[in-house]
Amino acid sequence: SYELTQPPSVSVSPGQTARITCSGDALPEKYAYWYQQRSGQAPILVIYEDTKRPSGIPERFSGSSSGTMATLTISGAQVEDTADYYCYSTDSSNEGVFGGGTRLTVL
Amino acid sequence: EVQLVESGGGLVKPGGSLRLSCVTSGLNFKNSYMSWVRQAPGKGLEWVGRIRSESEGGATYYAAPVRGRFSISRDDSENTQYLQMNSLKTDDTAVYYCVGGVNFWGQGTLVTVSS
Repeated sequence: SYELTQPPSVSVSPGQTARITCSGDALPEKYAYWYQQRSGQAPILVIYEDTKRPSGIPERFSGSSSGTMATLTISGAQVEDTADYYCYSTDSSNEGVFGGGTRLTVL
Repeated sequence: EVQLVESGGGLVKPGGSLRLSCVTSGLNFKNSYMSWVRQAPGKGLEWVGRIRSESEGGATYYAAPVRGRFSISRDDSENTQYLQMNSLKTDDTAVYYCVGGVNFWGQGTLVTVSS
């Protein structure tokens, strides 16, 4: 079955740039989406269709995609960005798949 | 304001059935594809399945672990999505989220499968 691979954890200091990667063989043909999930809360969409930012999401969140890898970048990360981040995409059969999640610690 | 409210979760024995509902408001429901995503305790997000809008044919898609046991349906007149879960296993224990499009999530309902 199709898989998206993320690093389990990323740590940065406040004000630094955090980058979270997501690799998958179908990403050259399929969009990547990124969700933020704080402890005990429902996920929030922070990036859609590889690079687009929903209204209300701070400009420090950006997305990119090249080849089989999508990247979520948080420029000038803040303590409140500490959360789990999941990439999401679909396979050739239109079935959805999430990456395993990355715990971002900004401390 | 868009709201999605799930209900129907609870405790069920292995082999049992449960039907979850997701009532939406403020969403262009009939033109939205709807999904279910679950999260087992302490684990990551897992896609369960999706139903297209009726205008796109209403096709359904399911993750391999639930295919043949779970069924998604929708009632556009009630702006409601359903998840019928049969032959439940302990591994199905999770918070089940209703998702509208890619952007709108409910707060989830807990399903516990245990004897």
